[in-house]
Order: sequence, then structure tokens, then C-alpha cells
Amino acid sequence: RKEVEQDPGPFNVPEGATVAFNCTYSNSASQSFFWYRQDCRKEPKLLMSVYSSGNEDGRFTAQLNRASQYISLLIRDSKLSDSATYLCVVNILTYQGAQKLVFGQGTRLTINP
Amino acid sequence: DGGITQSPKYLFRKEGQNVTLSCEQNLNHDAMYWYRQDPGQGLRLIYYSQIVNDFQKGDIAEGYSVSREKKESFPLTVTSAQKNPTAFYLCASSRSGGAEETQYFGPGTRLLVL
Repeated sequence: RKEVEQDPGPFNVPEGATVAFNCTYSNSASQSFFWYRQDCRKEPKLLMSVYSSGNEDGRFTAQLNRASQYISLLIRDSKLSDSATYLCVVNILTYQGAQKLVFGQGTRLTINP
Repeated sequence: DGGITQSPKYLFRKEGQNVTLSCEQNLNHDAMYWYRQDPGQGLRLIYYSQIVNDFQKGDIAEGYSVSREKKESFPLTVTSAQKNPTAFYLCASSRSGGAEETQYFGPGTRLLVL
């Protein structure tokens, strides 16, 4: 099982639609969770951290379900500029006892006019 | 402006050649990282450094080497031992090495094999 697994995508949705991504992680001891956005041929940029109580930033809502070990990202009223690849990122405790971030393979989203 | 810079943007490597990718940050971050991204895949950790003069192997360190002689610099050398080096290489930094810290990325270097 992959350490971090995302919806395969791609997602093609009309402008104004609501879209949701899910991501599952395998390490129950993981503590930190993030969503990054990556535009084509660019570097990833932090979209938002994911907190235990869930958090919202404008049209974006992130949720964490520790019992089922998944996180989600909801985008409401999608804009053309939301077209990008969304990366789920989870911290993993290595066998050496160090923390490291593990990235999912990403889900590509295209918003159509 | 504070940030992370990587150079060059594109790099071509001949068979058997070692090449070095530059990564510099002026964010005063202690930790720096190198990732590799292949098409349609997530980022994979090559090496990371939490403090000057110290670094650790990530998941795919074979065929790569790094140094951390200065806080602001973390160059990556792709050696001839790396048989499939074509990829997008991303450098990142964070304030400390804690996993709760946000990692900030440079613009990346695309390495192509001639």
C-alpha cells in the first residue's frame, strides 16, 4: 500500500461547480497534513494546512478524518484559475525516528468555461 | 525579496557526465531538501539537511550526492551512477526540520539526458 494515495483524476468540471478530492494515508501516527497546488511545469505551492478540526480558506475547505485515515479538499464555486494539480502531503515517521513529508502523486483538475 | 532560487532552469547531461544543480535560499531556513518529480508522479525525496554540515539520505539517494557547507546553499550532484536522471528536480527549505513546518519550493531544474 502506498504511504499516501490520492484520487487518480483527472477531474474535468465546469466553472462554478463544486469539486472534492480525497487522499488516504497509511501511517496512523501521522500528525501533519497539507494540500499543495502545482501548476503545469511549476513548483508546488502550499494551498493550506489541514487541522484536526477542519479548516476553511475562502472557497477551499479541508477536512481530516483520523479514524479512516483520509483527508479531503473541497473547492466551491470553482474558477478557471483553479485548474492545477493538487498534491496531498502527509508527514511520516521513518524507521530511524525522523519525520519526513510524503507527497501523493497528485490529482489534476481542469475547470472548463 | 526572500525566496529560493535554483539554477539552471534546464540542464542537459551527456552519458557518463556528472552535473551539479544549484539551490540557494535567503530565508534563513535551517532545513533544505531535494526532490525528484517524474511525469504523473509525486515528489520523491533524494536528500535532506536539517543543519549545516549534516545531511541524510532520502528514499532515492543512489546516484546523487549533496553538500551543505553553508546555511543558504544545498547543491545536488547527479552522478554518472544515476542511470535514469531525466526528471524535474525541486529544492525546498523549511524553517526547521520539523514535519509540521511548511516547505517552500524553488522553481525547479529540468534535467535532460542527451
